[in-house]
Amino acid sequence: DIVMTQSPDSLAVSLGERATIKCRSSQNILYRSNYKNYLSWHQQRPGQPPRLLIKWASARESGVPDRFSGSGSGTDFTLTISSVQAEDVAVYYCQQYYSGPITFGQGTRLEIK
Amino acid sequence: EVQLVESGGDLVQPGGSLRLSCAVSGFTFSSLWMHWVRQAPGKGLEWVADIKQDRSEIHYVDSVKGRFTVSRDNAKNSLYLQMNSLRVEDTAVYYCVSGPGWDFDNWGQGTLVTVS
Repeated sequence: DIVMTQSPDSLAVSLGERATIKCRSSQNILYRSNYKNYLSWHQQRPGQPPRLLIKWASARESGVPDRFSGSGSGTDFTLTISSVQAEDVAVYYCQQYYSGPITFGQGTRLEIK
Repeated sequence: EVQLVESGGDLVQPGGSLRLSCAVSGFTFSSLWMHWVRQAPGKGLEWVADIKQDRSEIHYVDSVKGRFTVSRDNAKNSLYLQMNSLRVEDTAVYYCVSGPGWDFDNWGQGTLVTVS
């Protein structure tokens, strides 16, 4: 199974500051035939179901604010929130869908400082 | 916009059975690869099972193999999860999730299964 490891487990950021969340996969999740990284980022606000933010490592979903961006390739990935807003308080999960079973990172909790 | 509505969650004793349903609207259900993902209280996300559009591929996480069965009815726009031999560790909110493949697009609100 591919193990997804996120860092940090939690972080506190001031409003308007940048937040960076890392995700590392135990195996390469870049499919070379189409040059796509099989990685998504999901946001789960308190008391809510998860919501897809980004797929294919960097493709932001429709309706997701452009302060959210994804980057990385192979085994190392990053979710960046360029200017944190109050509504960004949530747990963020990375997820690989390169090979079964589909696996998630343990989650990173974002709080406002 | 795709809407996914789960139902069937309940309190059940260890060893019991439960059937979850997920009603899908707003999109052509038969074009969606469907998944079940669960979240134990206070814990992270765990993928449970998936079923391809035409049922030709079905996969399970090891911990539920032989106990859970995923199915779908494309005529009724519905996804199901039959859960047998339930264990305390199956207690979780179960989410129905859709996508064109293994890449998720939409999540339901979830339904709570408590095994106690």
